Amino acid sequence: GENVEQHPSTLSVQEGDSAVIKCTYSDSASNYFPWYKQELGKGPQLIIDIRSNVGEKKDQRIAVTLNKTAKHFSLHITETQPEDSAVYFCAASNFGNQFYFGTGTSLTVIP
Amino acid sequence: DVKVTQSSRYLVKRTGEKVFLECVQDMDHENMFWYRQDPGLGLRLIYFSYDVKMKEKGDIPEGYSVSREKKERFSLILESASTNQTSMYLCASTPLSLEHGYTFGSGTRLTVV
Repeated sequence: GENVEQHPSTLSVQEGDSAVIKCTYSDSASNYFPWYKQELGKGPQLIIDIRSNVGEKKDQRIAVTLNKTAKHFSLHITETQPEDSAVYFCAASNFGNQFYFGTGTSLTVIP
Repeated sequence: DVKVTQSSRYLVKRTGEKVFLECVQDMDHENMFWYRQDPGLGLRLIYFSYDVKMKEKGDIPEGYSVSREKKERFSLILESASTNQTSMYLCASTPLSLEHGYTFGSGTRLTVV
């Protein structure tokens, strides 16, 4: 099955700086890569996703890049704000039965 | 606003009790999933269902069972709760195609004492 690795497990940045979270996957058949944000006491929420026919996708301050050859994808958050503090999960799927998740990154934005 | 609703936010149960965690979605989704979330381990799939009365084991099904009698409801059952089942439990649903990611519930934090 698919194996998704996520780094770093914790990340602290100053407000206004950028944050980058990286994931690798093992199954070359995976073709859909969502990112989830989980705030304290809540379930994860989808914030951005990318499909394998696209190399980059942007939505305001967040962007995701995908390198299919190297089997890795990354989440980029620019101009970080304290409300960006949360746990972020990457995931991969080949539109089969399920998604496979990374182990999460706890992001802290220091005001 | 579409959503996945988990009936309890917090539960405290005793070792050996039978525990039911309920999940209801109002999006007419075919697929429903139960995950447990533990620090450092991420989200691990317990069971999923792609149709009424259908169920498939995930990565960690031992000690759990599920029930899907209606399309909108997916129940997770701990047959005899143990302390190592203390965890955050997350329910999720998707349409059949999985093309738009999961919609998660808010989670149930279960403590077994």
